Amino acid sequence: GQQVMQIPQYQHVQEGEDFTTYCNSSTTLSNIQWYKQRPGGHPVFLIQLVKSGEVKKQKRLTFQFGEAKKNSSLHITATQTTDVGTYFCAGPGMRFGAGTRLTVKP
Amino acid sequence: EAGVTQFPSHSVIEKGQTVTLRCDPISGHDNLYWYRRVMGKEIKFLLHFVKESKQDESGMPNNRFLAERTGGTYSTLKVQPAELEDSGVYFCASSQFWNTGELFFGEGSRLTVL
Repeated sequence: GQQVMQIPQYQHVQEGEDFTTYCNSSTTLSNIQWYKQRPGGHPVFLIQLVKSGEVKKQKRLTFQFGEAKKNSSLHITATQTTDVGTYFCAGPGMRFGAGTRLTVKP
Repeated sequence: EAGVTQFPSHSVIEKGQTVTLRCDPISGHDNLYWYRRVMGKEIKFLLHFVKESKQDESGMPNNRFLAERTGGTYSTLKVQPAELEDSGVYFCASSQFWNTGELFFGEGSRLTVL
């Protein structure tokens, strides 16, 4: 499986602020997936990106896959308290990054 | 359709004892994965079954861990003898396709070794 590195480890924002987490690989990825785990819960699939330069949106969430297919990002616009949790990326071989824990202050 | 189910949800054992965790994947999912998350840190890959075969067991920490998937249906993960550092939440996930497509996770089995 291909290892993916994820930053930052933690992010604390005020409600309404934006949030971005980044996922990087030293090798080209055939695809990348994003998951969200709420506190006390289990990881839940958000999206899979496959194409170079791909951008997908889900309401306030924007997912990007780099042109070289070595990095990806998840951006949340105007965070809400319901966005709290840890966001993980996963590369081929279903290896997960370390995750970015998001906390949101009301 | 039933999701991925794991049993037990929580197990508390003493160091040196044995624990067996069970995972029932979604019916028809050939791919089954075991992961461990310790203290809210990374989701660490343990191993991957395709049907009854171990496709990748490179994440298994040592020979105290034994995973099986007889018949290609449910899977068990046995820890024997358990050590303090084995504590954590063990997640099972299944998927229809290999290396692509959604992973469906179970609720996890929390293991506490005292």
